[in-house]
Amino acid sequence: QSALTQPASVSGSPGQSITISCTGTRSDVGGYNYVSWYQQHPGKAPKLILYDVINRPSGVSNRFSGSKSANTASLTISGLQAEDEADYYCSSYTSSSTYVFGTGTKVTVL
Amino acid sequence: QLQLQESGPGLVKPSETLSLTCTVSGGSISSSRYYWGWIRQSPGKGLEWIGHIYYSESTYYNPSLESRLTISIDTSRNQFSLKLFSVAAADTAVYYCARLPEYFYGSVGFFGAPYFDSWGQGMLVTVSS
Repeated sequence: QSALTQPASVSGSPGQSITISCTGTRSDVGGYNYVSWYQQHPGKAPKLILYDVINRPSGVSNRFSGSKSANTASLTISGLQAEDEADYYCSSYTSSSTYVFGTGTKVTVL
Repeated sequence: QLQLQESGPGLVKPSETLSLTCTVSGGSISSSRYYWGWIRQSPGKGLEWIGHIYYSESTYYNPSLESRLTISIDTSRNQFSLKLFSVAAADTAVYYCARLPEYFYGSVGFFGAPYFDSWGQGMLVTVSS
C-alpha cells in the first residue's frame, strides 16, 4: 500500500487560509469517506483534528475544515495562527481493511 | 482524562524481539466501545499502522508486518502489548499506542474506527547492535 501524496510544505501569513491536499486512489481516499487528518508539533504525538473527511473532534477549532473530491482530500486552515505551525498528516481506511497515511506536510506561518 | 503510556526497551539488537507495552489510565481497556492500536513513525517511511486489538482479543494486523507481529491484551492490568520479531534497522522508529473508537461500517458491522482519536506520547526504539 503506497503512502498518500501530500505537498512537502505549505506556508501562509497570519490570518490567511491555506489548503493541504492528500491524493490517493480509488482503493482508499476515493473509495470511502474515511479520511482523517492529524496535526503533529515537534516532539509530540499526532493529534486527530478531522475524521470522516469533515468531522471535527470535540475541542478542535472550527478553523480546520475538510473536503474531498474524487481521489483527493483537502484540509483547509482558515485564519492561520502561529500555533498552527506543525506537520499535518492525512490518513485513509483502505479496501484491504488497512490504514494508510500521507507523506506529511510542514506548515509554516510566515 | 484518558492517558496512554508506552514502555519497554529503547534499544533492541538486530534479529531479536521488540516488545512494548501500553498502559491505559483514565478509562477501561475492557470497554466494548474501543479498540487499541499501534502506529510507528520513522524518518524513512513516515507513519505506518501496525495493528490493533479488541478487548475480546480479536486482532487486525498490517499485512506487511503480520508474519513478525503479535499484539495482545491484558484486561486485568489495563494494558496491551506489541511484539515484533526478527527486527532489523528498518524497524527503528517512534512507536505510538493509540485508541480507535468502535465504528459502524454499515452492512459489515462494527469494527475499529478509520481513525485514532487518542495517542500515547510515543517511544523511540532503536534497532542496533
